[in-house]
Parts: sequence; structure tokens; C-alpha cells
Amino acid sequence: EPEVTQTPSHQVTQMGQEVILRCVPISNHLYFYWYRQILGQKVEFLVSFYNNEISEKSEIFDDQFSVERPDGSNFTLKIRSTKLEDSAMYFCASSEILGVRLFFGSGTQLSVL
Amino acid sequence: DAKTTQPTSMDCAEGRAANLPCNHSTISGNEYVYWYRQIHSQGPQYIIHGLKNNETNEMASLIITEDRKSSTLILPHATLRDTAVYYCIVIGSGGSNYKLTFGKGTLLTVNP
Repeated sequence: EPEVTQTPSHQVTQMGQEVILRCVPISNHLYFYWYRQILGQKVEFLVSFYNNEISEKSEIFDDQFSVERPDGSNFTLKIRSTKLEDSAMYFCASSEILGVRLFFGSGTQLSVL
Repeated sequence: DAKTTQPTSMDCAEGRAANLPCNHSTISGNEYVYWYRQIHSQGPQYIIHGLKNNETNEMASLIITEDRKSSTLILPHATLRDTAVYYCIVIGSGGSNYKLTFGKGTLLTVNP
């Protein structure tokens, strides 16, 4: 079965540093998403992306966050100046049709110290 | 989006059917019932979805009541690898109702 791949699997950073989380969605998918899960809490929607534009973002996705599809295969999430509360597992997902049958990656565990 | 209610946890014996209930009494006509699961420390995994007819795929069956106010996910022969948190999510089609809103789900523990 095709899969979404995410790198790195773990990222440790200092507060205030910039991090880029990378994802390779399934090749024929058109819609891309980032979700996150703080330890012990629910999985939360961050942003959806289609046709090189953000379709929708949550209130969590503030000016410190940005997404990009730099080369037609990768899909990245950048956090400009990390905060302690950004520590979480970040999941990338993709789908052929908006909101239908999302395929999730295995996540990047971000630890901000 | 319609809210869903699921039991916090359930147990099932290996090899037996696991029946996971979900209540969604405020579901509207164009909203689908989706099931995802999350095995510990992994990303959520799509299982199945339906509108009003019962659905079956290689992973599970979805039974939706005639009034659509509740549904049951059935794993016909549960294995230890099916131990996971199972999420029942109601999503509309189109507009801004496509976002998956994960609740706390049901922790299914399959016992040997």
C-alpha cells in the first residue's frame, strides 16, 4: 500500500530555533494536511493545502507556522521560533479527494527544550 | 459537525469479533461516518466510511442504523495488532466540514 513518509522521526531543538518538518505525500494525491498531537491529548488539525495554497488553517496555525510544497514532491511545515508548547507529534497526511480517506505518516516527534 | 459519543474503552478476545459502537444523534443528511484508528505512537489509519448503507472492506464492516443516529464498527476476527484507539468521526462533504475532528475515541484492547 502507498504510504506517506515523514522525516525526521524525532527532532530536538532549543526554544526559539526554527525547525522544518518534512513529508512526502502519496504521489497522486492533491490535498495535504498537517495535524499534531500533544502527548496524552487529542489529534488536532493544523492546516490543509491544495494547489500551492493554504485551504484552511486552525487557530493553532499562527504566524510562527508556514507550509510549503517546494519541489512537487515534498510538503514541509516550518515553525519559525519554537516554543516549549510546540512539543508534540506532528502528522502529515494526504488524500486524493478533500477530506476523504486521509493517509497519515508515522509522525515527527518534536521536542522543544 | 455532528458530535460523536464512544465508550472510553473495550476489551475483546483474540479471534473474536470486536463491535465498537458510536452514537451520532445530531448527524445531518450530508454527513458521513468515518472510522480511523491509532495504534500506539503511530499516525491515524483510515478504516472505513459510510453515508447510510452498510459498508465492508478488507479491514472491517460498518453498520449504520436506519435513522443514522448510531453506527457500529465490526472487526470480524480481532488480532493483537488491532489493539488501538478507534475514532468515530462525522464529516460533511464539501465546504469547510472536511476537517477530521478527533475525539478521545475508544481504546480497544485485544487480549490473547
